Order: sequence, then structure tokens, then C-alpha cells
Amino acid sequence: EVQLVESGGGLVQPGGSLRLSCAASGFTFSDHYMHWVRQAPGKGLVWVSRIDTVGSSTTYADSVKGRFTISRDNAKNTLYLQMTSLRAEDTAVYYCRRGRDYWGQGTLVTVSS
Amino acid sequence: DIQMTQSPSSLSASVGDRVTITCRASQSISNYLNWYQQKPGKAPKLLIYSASTLQSGVPSRFSGSGSGTEFTLIISSLQPEDFATYYCQQSHSTPITFGQGTRLEIK
Repeated sequence: EVQLVESGGGLVQPGGSLRLSCAASGFTFSDHYMHWVRQAPGKGLVWVSRIDTVGSSTTYADSVKGRFTISRDNAKNTLYLQMTSLRAEDTAVYYCRRGRDYWGQGTLVTVSS
Repeated sequence: DIQMTQSPSSLSASVGDRVTITCRASQSISNYLNWYQQKPGKAPKLLIYSASTLQSGVPSRFSGSGSGTEFTLIISSLQPEDFATYYCQQSHSTPITFGQGTRLEIK
């Protein structure tokens, strides 16, 4: 069974940093592109970032470019999102997604003083 | 960036109704179009990929069509578990973009 479990969310002050993790199991992690998608409270889905199978190619939404870094450790079957210079508008549930199909349950990031 | 526009934004319907949701892309995306269903407090679920291919395990009452800039999701006979929010998403080019969502409510 494919499982994606996010962790690392929480309350952080504006300007702070946070690292999200997504632990994958039930499939060959290194075979799949991975994504982060976020959803602000009561709002729609917004794509954040994508990484290729080996971690050599990454793409970001303009809203997070230069502040967020996506990475992966295929030996640990884990996807990461390093978030810096956080803003109130980054408050959202962050989902990891395998390719186009499976999603994790999400982890809530709240940026507030 | 490719903009995805769904219509309607919300819809009231009854069990057994046939429902159509439309998604329009601001430029041609061929068939690089996915449909997702999201229920409150839950992660989205893939329903349709490549515009018209039903994801494994998804009931056959869901169908998708279209190519280029116009796409349609049809639910042929609404079931109680189908009341949710539906999103289209293009994967033709980055940044990947979603429609704003269509909230399907019980009449």
C-alpha cells in the first residue's frame, strides 16, 4: 500500500524557518517525481514545488522561489521541503504528492507572531 | 503561467442527478489535465488523468473528456459520497496550476 506521511509542521514566527518531511513507503520511491502542494485555510490547492527522481532538477512556484528548497533522500525514502523567510501567507496545509496520484494527509504550517 | 478556470464555482444537485463541471485552460495543454476530488479535512484524490483516463478504483460514473483548452468532468448519477470539491489541474508546463475548485453540494 502506498503511504506518504508528512511531518514537521507547526507554529513559526514570520521570518522563521521550518523543514517538512514526507516519508514514503509501499512503492519504489526513487522511480517517481515528487511534489509539494499547499492549501491555505478555506482556499484552493496551490502547487509549490517539484523534484525529479534523482534530485537533480527542481522547480518552484514564483511565490516561494528563493525561500523554499525541495530535496529528497532516496536511501531514506524521504522528501523534504526546507522553508525559510516564512510569511503569514505561507500558512497552509502542506501535502506531498507522488507524481499525479497519491497524496499524503498533510501537515499544517502556521506563520504567526 | 497557464490559468485554469472552472465553472461553476459551486453547484447544488440531488442524488441521482447528472452533473457536468467544466475546466478551461488559458492556452492549449493537449490532454495534460487531471481531475481531483477533495472532501473536507481530507487530502485530494485523483479521479481522472490525461483528461479522460479513469484512475484505478474510481467508479465508472465519473468520466472526463476534452483536449486543448476545454475539458469536462461528468458524474453520471450522483451518489451521496460524491458531494465534495472538485479541482482540475494542468501538468502541461510548470508552474503546475489548479482550477479554483467546484464545490458540489446537496440540494
